Amino acid sequence: IVLTQSPATLSLSPGERATLSCRASQSVSAHLAWYQQKPGQAPRLLIYDASNRATGIPARFSGSGSGTDFTLTISSLEPEDFAVYYCQQGSHWPTFGQGTKVEIK
Amino acid sequence: EVQLAESGGGLIQPGGSLRLSCAASGFIVSSDYMSWVRQAPGKGLEWVSIIYNDGRTFYADSMGGRFTISRDNSKNTLYLQMNSLRAEDTAVYYCARGSLPNLANSWGQGTLVTVSS
Repeated sequence: IVLTQSPATLSLSPGERATLSCRASQSVSAHLAWYQQKPGQAPRLLIYDASNRATGIPARFSGSGSGTDFTLTISSLEPEDFAVYYCQQGSHWPTFGQGTKVEIK
Repeated sequence: EVQLAESGGGLIQPGGSLRLSCAASGFIVSSDYMSWVRQAPGKGLEWVSIIYNDGRTFYADSMGGRFTISRDNSKNTLYLQMNSLRAEDTAVYYCARGSLPNLANSWGQGTLVTVSS
């Protein structure tokens, strides 16, 4: 299953809302997760099963969608949120999207 | 607190073998879904292998049967045996713990494997 993330880069200012998209080449039901990765660090799980926040993840992160279209929303960007975000499907052999970089405008 | 610590990476010649280790603490490796995920320099993430709590193992097709995932319950440690290494296997290899199959809740810091002559 191929996951396509858009946009490739999102340039925003702190306090703005970020909307990241992930589209699957076939239905993955709700088996979709989102990860955040900062330079030189391991990824961190943010959202699993499309809309469930992982332990310790702030409420400004939310996920939605099912089937083939999914969205990660960061309601108000904090300085520490500028990073690369990956979606990952777990419906079949797990695969990742190519990532969306959220950069400071 | 869940902690994962990978080791065993380094520089290896094409065709060589390497065994990566992932020492776990704060949970029992044999009770969860343990995975290896890799990331080539400057690239995205690729799931390599999974071992279920019931012992079943799964691999990405692209590994071509060259890799073997295993665990030592007495040491609470996960392993990845990598044989016939190729330049395209160069990557940071992360071990990860999942509360569900095909999910990575917790990650180690990664170990770099460089395949080059």
